[in-house]
Amino acid sequence: AQKITQTQPGMFVQEKEAVTLDCTYDTSDPSYGLFWYKQPSSGEMIFLIYQGSYDQQNATEGRYSLNFQKARKSANLVISASQLGDSAMYFCAMRETNDMRFGAGTRLTVKP
Amino acid sequence: NAGVTQTPKFQVLKTGQSMTLQCAQDMNHEYMSWYRQDPGMGLRLIHYSVGAGITDQGEVPNGYNVSRSTTEDFPLRLLSAAPSQTSVYFCAISGDFPPYEQYFGPGTRLTVT
Repeated sequence: AQKITQTQPGMFVQEKEAVTLDCTYDTSDPSYGLFWYKQPSSGEMIFLIYQGSYDQQNATEGRYSLNFQKARKSANLVISASQLGDSAMYFCAMRETNDMRFGAGTRLTVKP
Repeated sequence: NAGVTQTPKFQVLKTGQSMTLQCAQDMNHEYMSWYRQDPGMGLRLIHYSVGAGITDQGEVPNGYNVSRSTTEDFPLRLLSAAPSQTSVYFCAISGDFPPYEQYFGPGTRLTVT
């Protein structure tokens, strides 16, 4: 069964606008972690943000924030004030104990 | 990619050949893992290790072996390469405490003909 679902294969956003990338997950484990990674065209994987299942507040890291809705099992990434350098693939991932699952990714294109 | 090195960067194998992908870290993290990335499928966990002498299977372990004799090294062995193993392989290490962020190596692009 698909544990991580990213329903947006591709997204476009105007430079300086905000964008939300969707992610839903499936688990029966009460303890888990949610992650977002960025993969530029150069291929490296870059950690962006983490949310623990017991964290009460939504995680934020600079221009990145994670909109965590536990009851809906969603963990959307919000990027504020988009920059041209934000154009990349974005992957949502979930860690249960030592098992890590990734979504298929969303390709974000920032338009000037 | 600081702290995680992978060799080789590129490799071409013929069906049936074996090889070892190397992964080394200098950050002293216990958790190390191997992923493969195929087009349109994101990353899939092959094997992971939570410390020297301890390994376990991930989502797609068939056709691969691992061992962890030291904290620093976590090699991935392809026993008998098949075209279905053509992929990009990433090694990653993870912090032992939240946020458990993973540091990825630069990847190995493997083609099996």
